[in-house]
Amino acid sequence: DQQVKQNSPSLSVQEGRISILNCDYTNSMFDYFLWYKKYPAEGPTFLISISSIKDKNEDGRFTVFLNKSAKHLSLHIVPSQPGDSAVYFCAAGPSGTYKYIFGTGTRLKVLA
Amino acid sequence: EAQVTQNPRYLITVTGKKLTVTCSQNMNHEYMSWYRQDPGLGLRQIYYSMNVEVTDKGDVPEGYKVSRKEKRNFPLILESPSPNQTSLYFCASKQGSTDTQYFGPGTRLTVL
Repeated sequence: DQQVKQNSPSLSVQEGRISILNCDYTNSMFDYFLWYKKYPAEGPTFLISISSIKDKNEDGRFTVFLNKSAKHLSLHIVPSQPGDSAVYFCAAGPSGTYKYIFGTGTRLKVLA
Repeated sequence: EAQVTQNPRYLITVTGKKLTVTCSQNMNHEYMSWYRQDPGLGLRQIYYSMNVEVTDKGDVPEGYKVSRKEKRNFPLILESPSPNQTSLYFCASKQGSTDTQYFGPGTRLTVL
């Protein structure tokens, strides 16, 4: 049973528009959430995180929203740029954990 | 430059032939981990280590061994590889209390 789900395997967005990537989790013990970006032939790189004491965290063009009651988080990228084209993984776990559960990833393609 | 290195980057082997994938980090991180990435399954944790001589199983440890004799190195050992271990493997490290996990570039393993 997958505890962290990314139901959209792929997403295409026009350059300059908003990209919204979604992630759902089932384990109510999870209170720390992260997004990673992965380019082909490279390892994932950390993008942004959020703890359950907040419902929003921003870093430049990237914002993560957390809806604890729905067990749902989303990553917004505004404006989207062609260089954002990558696979995005969400991950979740109890805070301070060494065991994060990753989703299956969403491949974002930003069209110029 | 802070980095996690893995060797080899690509490996084709045959069933039953023992192999080791090395992982090394130069950031003095306490925590290290191995993941495998498979289509439709995302990143799944194989083993992790919280410090020298301290290792624990992740979600998919069967068929793998690890050791942590030095802080910087965390090799992944496949004693008798099988075709279902064909995958893309990532090593990662982080400091104990931070959330930023640094990933290596990946090792693509094919077991025939």
